[in-house]
Amino acid sequence: QVQLVESGGGLVKPGGSLRLSCAASGFTFSDYYMSWIRQAPGKGLEWVSYISSSGSTIYYADSVKGRFTISRDNAKNSLYLQMNSLRAEDTAVYYCARDPGSGSYPQYYFDYWGQGTLVTVSS
Amino acid sequence: QSALTQPASVSGSPGQSITISCTGTSSDVGSYNLVSWYQQHPGKAPKLMIYEVSKRPSGVSNRFSGSKSGNTASLTISGLQAEDEADYYCCSYAGSSTSNVFGGGTKLTVL
Repeated sequence: QVQLVESGGGLVKPGGSLRLSCAASGFTFSDYYMSWIRQAPGKGLEWVSYISSSGSTIYYADSVKGRFTISRDNAKNSLYLQMNSLRAEDTAVYYCARDPGSGSYPQYYFDYWGQGTLVTVSS
Repeated sequence: QSALTQPASVSGSPGQSITISCTGTSSDVGSYNLVSWYQQHPGKAPKLMIYEVSKRPSGVSNRFSGSKSGNTASLTISGLQAEDEADYYCCSYAGSSTSNVFGGGTKLTVL
């Protein structure tokens, strides 16, 4: 069965960095677009970033552009989010999610989600 | 890109039907049949309930249905059950420079 397991969250000071990981299993990871989506405490969902199956196409939300970098290692079935210059407003649970589109055609929805990892930015 | 607009809360009694609206613009909901809906119980990850406006994933009850008219999408839940009490989020594709945008979420209370 499809499983997505995030890790790497924690407490970090403003201006600091953190790298999140998402370990995928139960499907051919290299065939699918993947995304990071976050949810601030008590708030709604916010899409953060998308990466194509090959890693050649990447999108970011304006709120993280220039500070966050999404990447993937298909040999390790893993998705990553490097977060730099962190701000208090980046405090959230970060989910990795799979787009069911395969190859070069994303479907722009998310059929499987991990349980999330909490990132807290505070001094 | 602004979030899509959803009512903060809706409520209904068991067995009744409710509808949650999701209002966007001609740049997102109005331009693409790529609206999806997610159910989220407290402390849990979101679950896909509807994709491409009105399609149901395997395993999702046929009590859940979706539709769209102009810039507004809707999720209807018929025959309300206690386990339907959750937060619901809509999401739309908004073009290649923006990708996806979510609604602010609606808390469904089953009375």
